[in-house]
Amino acid sequence: GAVVSQHPSWVICKSGTSVKIECRSLDFQATTMFWYRQFPKQSLMLMATSNEGSKATYEQGVEKDKFLINHASLTLSTLTVTSAHPEDSSFYICSARDGTASTDTQYFGPGTRLTVL
Amino acid sequence: GQNIDQPTEMTATEGAIVQINCTYQTSGFNGLFWYQQHAGEAPTFLSYNVLDGLEEKGRFSSFLSRSKGYSYLLLKELQMKDSASYLCATAWEGRTLVFGKGTRLSVIA
Repeated sequence: GAVVSQHPSWVICKSGTSVKIECRSLDFQATTMFWYRQFPKQSLMLMATSNEGSKATYEQGVEKDKFLINHASLTLSTLTVTSAHPEDSSFYICSARDGTASTDTQYFGPGTRLTVL
Repeated sequence: GQNIDQPTEMTATEGAIVQINCTYQTSGFNGLFWYQQHAGEAPTFLSYNVLDGLEEKGRFSSFLSRSKGYSYLLLKELQMKDSASYLCATAWEGRTLVFGKGTRLSVIA
């Protein structure tokens, strides 16, 4: 159980275009999903917390107009990187927390490697 | 907030035992997690401790002392595939996980 999928697993795009990444919880309902970014050899950096049916909460320094998050259902959250630039190239990872569980365990998707040319 | 500290790198021999320590600030503590992350992959959940003591799960064990703000991950009978980064994370009153920078473990023959 507790499987999280992410799509696409990798994407290459041109500077100025927008990229959408999907995160799905496959066998549980995720009331809360999280989006992280990780640069090579660095730690996970939380970008935003997304609760189903409400606006995402962004961490300090993360532009909400650039990184659009939608959590329309209990099993799906999307992250759209708008007007992507080379400095946005990174490993984007989502995680989901089971709303019915008694712990705060987060289960991670496999990640999306974004390369902006 | 949380300030998590763990060693940057460790090296151990195949078949040996290694202990990876983690210290954290204790304000608003709601549990301690360990994740394993292989290079280029997302983290996978290893263990969760919310009460003091040792939790054993196969070759991996995790220990917590809440009063000392201290945890360790113990890996026994090391295998080459255990070479990875090990992330210590705390859940605090906001129920968000805060991750340490990770300990990069290299297992050598």
